[in-house]
Amino acid sequence: AQSVTQPDIHITVSEGASLELRCNYSYGATPYLFWYVQSPGQGLQLLLKYFSGDTLVQGIKGFEAEFKRSQSSFNLRKPSVHWSDAAEYFCAVGAGDKIIFGKGTRLHILP
Amino acid sequence: DAGVIQSPRHEVTEMGQEVTLRCKPISGHNSLFWYRQTMMRGLELLIYFNNNVPIDDSGMPEDRFSAKMPNASFSTLKIQPSEPRDSAVYFCASSPILAGLTDTQYFGPGTRLTVL
Repeated sequence: AQSVTQPDIHITVSEGASLELRCNYSYGATPYLFWYVQSPGQGLQLLLKYFSGDTLVQGIKGFEAEFKRSQSSFNLRKPSVHWSDAAEYFCAVGAGDKIIFGKGTRLHILP
Repeated sequence: DAGVIQSPRHEVTEMGQEVTLRCKPISGHNSLFWYRQTMMRGLELLIYFNNNVPIDDSGMPEDRFSAKMPNASFSTLKIQPSEPRDSAVYFCASSPILAGLTDTQYFGPGTRLTVL
C-alpha cells in the first residue's frame, strides 16, 4: 500500500539558517509528489510538485525539492529561512487514484 | 480570484445535531475534494467530485456523513447525527484538472467543527 512518512514532527532552525525537511514514500511506480505549506488557521498552499523530468524542482518562496528514486525520497530544502516560513509542511503522494498526505512537519524559527 | 470559500469558519454544536458544511470552489475548476484534518489521523481525503459527480467516497467514515455537489459552484458536507469524534477541521479543495488527485489542489481556509 502507498504511504508517506515525514519522520520529523517538529524542526527548529534559526532565521537565516538552511532547512531540509524529509519525506519518504512507498509506492511501486513513479508517483506524483507534492509539498504543501499550512500557515496557522489557513488551508494548504502548494509549494512545488514533481511529475516527471528534472528531479530538482523549484517552487515558490525560495523552496526546492529533489526527487531521489533510489531513496524513495522527496526532501524539501531552502538555503536561508525567514521568520515567515514558520508553518506546517506536508508532503503528499499522488499514486494511482489516491492522494496521501504525510502527517506534517511543524517548522519553528528562532530569531 | 476569491479562492475556495468555505462556510462557516467555525461551528460548535451538540452531539446528535445535524451539521452542514459548505464550499464554493474556484470558478472553472472541475474537481472538488473534502478533507478532514485531526491531530491523530492527519489529513484524510473523504470524498471527491469530478464535474459534480462523486468519484470516490471510500474515505467517508460512515453513513452519518454525506456530500453533495448540486452544481459546479457549490458543495455540501453533512454530518447527521454528529458525534464528538467528528470534531476536526474540514477542508474543501478544488482543482482545475479532472485528474484531480494528481494535480495541484487549491484549499479553502477550513471549517473548524467542535461537537460537544
